[in-house]
Amino acid sequence: GAVVSQHPSWVICKSGTSVKIECRSLDFQATTMFWYRQFPKQSLMLMATSNEGSKATYEQGVEKDKFLINHASLTLSTLTVTSAHPEDSSFYICSATGEGSSYEQFFGPGTRLTVL
Amino acid sequence: SQKIEQNSEALNIQEGKTATLTCNYTNYSPAYLQWYRQDPGRGPVFLLLIRENEKEKRKERLKVTFDTTLKQSLFHITASQPADSATYLCALDPRGGSARQLTFGSGTQLTVLP
Repeated sequence: GAVVSQHPSWVICKSGTSVKIECRSLDFQATTMFWYRQFPKQSLMLMATSNEGSKATYEQGVEKDKFLINHASLTLSTLTVTSAHPEDSSFYICSATGEGSSYEQFFGPGTRLTVL
Repeated sequence: SQKIEQNSEALNIQEGKTATLTCNYTNYSPAYLQWYRQDPGRGPVFLLLIRENEKEKRKERLKVTFDTTLKQSLFHITASQPADSATYLCALDPRGGSARQLTFGSGTQLTVLP
């Protein structure tokens, strides 16, 4: 089946630094990728939608200058958390959809970000 | 306002019984609704999709119903097993089929007791 990987699986950084998270579709071409964040015991909150080769569309309330998304190829999207602060600590999950009429999303395993 | 509500945060059932999870939504007109399973510290895994013109969908021990009049979906796991213990999320397309985005409910944590 469709496999999506994320790297790193966890990261700890100091406040003020930037962190990059990679999301890769391993065995299919992902026309659209999504980035979510999830706080403990809460549901997934969509942050942005990215299509290969175009600018990401951010959800209301998500700062695009803080959460930089690049979808440079059909198999790779990156999320950079710039000038991270402790309140950015969360579980970040990407998902991808392929071509065709299938609407299910294939999720990566998630990245646990802790900002000290 | 728009809401997706899953019936309870936690549900405990005995092994072998049928688990029934509820997803209700308000002020959405989804073209489809999906159910995912999420294990602790992992990303969700797709289980089933049901379209607005479908009443019921089955996959092995799983069954999903979709009632657009009641604005409700029910998710059933028959002959439940301890390995079915996880959080189950319902998700719908918030824009009625015009995009592939999903809005998720808060999930129901299912525990199947041996």
